[in-house]
Amino acid sequence: DQQVKQNSPSLSVQEGRISILNCDYTNSMFDYFLWYKKYPAEGPTFLISISSIKDKNEDGRFTVFLNKSAKHLSLHIVPSQPGDSAVYFCAATDTDKLIFGTGTRLQVFP
Amino acid sequence: ETGVTQSPTHLIKTRGQQVTLRCSSQSGHNTVSWYQQALGQGPQFIFQYYREEENGRGNFPPRFSGLQFPNYSSELNVNALELDDSALYLCASSPASERAKNIQYFGAGTRLSVL
Repeated sequence: DQQVKQNSPSLSVQEGRISILNCDYTNSMFDYFLWYKKYPAEGPTFLISISSIKDKNEDGRFTVFLNKSAKHLSLHIVPSQPGDSAVYFCAATDTDKLIFGTGTRLQVFP
Repeated sequence: ETGVTQSPTHLIKTRGQQVTLRCSSQSGHNTVSWYQQALGQGPQFIFQYYREEENGRGNFPPRFSGLQFPNYSSELNVNALELDDSALYLCASSPASERAKNIQYFGAGTRLSVL
């Protein structure tokens, strides 16, 4: 029973365009949502987070949007760069643990 | 400031054996969590330690056990290895200041193969 779902296993975007990665969740009690980026042979790297009481958080090229009524969040990357090519994980906090989605592989091509 | 380091990077064991994985937390971080990441999946929470006490456990059997030491380094022990234990094991640490948000900083992981 997956509480955090990333239904798109992969996404391909041209350099300079917007990348939109989506995530759905089932538990309305989650307090925080986080996005992590993972390169091969490295651990996940924290990217950006959002509190459940907010609907938007922005950090440079990265913006996360939260729609609580739809139990949906999305990560926007503008403009996309080749170095953004990685696997992106959405995660939710449940007391002291993180619950991760299965990830979306983003490829940014020139 | 050093990040989270894990050792070894790769390990091959046979079914039924026992394994110990090690993690050195980021300086100043007093909480450590362990995750298992199977191929094509997201990391799955195993357990967390805070100030040397287990502080939460995921849906893993008792043959998965851990320790946290006074210097906040940590071990994950797995007994009676099964083929399905083959995975990437990730250690993550977090400082007290970010416990509420549960922002965790990950090591590169140990790739365990059980034959």
